[in-house]
Amino acid sequence: GQQVMQIPQYQHVQEGEDFTTYCNSSTTLSNIQWYKQRPGGHPVFLIQLVKSGEVKKQKRLTFQFGEAKKNSSLHITATQTTDVGTYFCAGVTGANNLFFGTGTRLTVIP
Amino acid sequence: EAGVAQSPRYKIIEKRQSVAFWCNPISGHATLYWYQQILGQGPKLLIQFQNNGVVDDSQLPKDRFSAERLKGVDSTLKIQPAKLEDSAVYLCASSLRGGAYEQYFGPGTRLTVT
Repeated sequence: GQQVMQIPQYQHVQEGEDFTTYCNSSTTLSNIQWYKQRPGGHPVFLIQLVKSGEVKKQKRLTFQFGEAKKNSSLHITATQTTDVGTYFCAGVTGANNLFFGTGTRLTVIP
Repeated sequence: EAGVAQSPRYKIIEKRQSVAFWCNPISGHATLYWYQQILGQGPKLLIQFQNNGVVDDSQLPKDRFSAERLKGVDSTLKIQPAKLEDSAVYLCASSLRGGAYEQYFGPGTRLTVT
């Protein structure tokens, strides 16, 4: 069945360091979405990528969609304590079904 | 614009009891989702509605879980009877239409089954 895996599962960084999480799908996706979930909170939509090789930026966050539309990454430059949370990718298949990844929990040490 | 509303926020029940959760999506959103999120895991889709019709319920344990979305607006998710492994946060989300649109999540209902 459809699987969306993320690595790493956990990441601890010093404030100011960079952070990257990778998302891999077992099948080709029509698009991919990224969500952030703060501790005790609910997932909040960050961005959607649709085109092969697409790159989008939101301030210190850079999102990429792989050429084969099976993988994606989120890179945060110069992390801040407000970046703490779990980052999920969510792949959308051709049948319009959405599968959440396993998530990467980011801890930022001040 | 009001967000997705869910109630109750917390529920503690004993195993074999029944429980129901309620969700009110964002006005005008045709698609409604119910997710189960076990601690430390990503949300797992239980059921997806498009208006009042079921689009995907392939991961819904139908022997104990049921959901409905009457009139294509509010939705309820029921568990009967509950098992210990049902302890999780149940998230409701809505979107304008299907999977290509961003989902807006409610605050969730934290269920503890003892």
